[in-house]
Amino acid sequence: GAVVSQHPSWVICKSGTSVKIECRSLDFQATTMFWYRQFPKQSLMLMATSNEGSKATYEQGVEKDKFLINHASLTLSTLTVTSAHPEDSSFYICSARPALGGGYEQYFGPGTRLTVT
Amino acid sequence: DAKTTQPNSMESNEEEPVHLPCNHSTISGTDYIHWYRQLPSQGPEYVIHGLTSNVNNRMASLAIAEDRKSSTLILHRATLRDAAVYYCILRDSSGGSNYKLTFGKGTLLTVNP
Repeated sequence: GAVVSQHPSWVICKSGTSVKIECRSLDFQATTMFWYRQFPKQSLMLMATSNEGSKATYEQGVEKDKFLINHASLTLSTLTVTSAHPEDSSFYICSARPALGGGYEQYFGPGTRLTVT
Repeated sequence: DAKTTQPNSMESNEEEPVHLPCNHSTISGTDYIHWYRQLPSQGPEYVIHGLTSNVNNRMASLAIAEDRKSSTLILHRATLRDAAVYYCILRDSSGGSNYKLTFGKGTLLTVNP
């Protein structure tokens, strides 16, 4: 149980285009989903926290107009990188916190590798 | 979130126990100690967590110092599949931070065959 999927697992896009990444909790409902970014040889950096049905809370320094987050249901959150540039190339990882029980664990997706050319 | 300090890297031999240390001298009374690990090119995976008492699960054991200023993750018999970056994270249990996790640099564990 407690599986989180991400789609796509990798994507290559041209500079200036937008890319949408999906994060799904497959066997549980998630009150809260988190989006992280990880550059090579670095640790995960939290970008934003999204709660179902409300606006995402972005960490300091993360442009909310560039990284659009939608958490429309208890099992799906999406991250859209708008007008992508090469410096946005990174490994994007989501995690989900179960709505019921637990509360101390976050379940992470396998990540999406974005390459902007 | 309170800060943690871990060695950058550690090495172990297969089938031997591994003790991964973590210092968290500024831990507060409401902070839980969490450990996650990340295998190459994958998302992190929950390992274990605790508050004051030592904890055991199928993956590992967590030994917490009496003053809670340090803890040790113990892998009883390392396997090649345990090679990963291990993160020690303090999570505020008061809920005000919305349960978010702040990852440090972690410890890169290498397991030799």
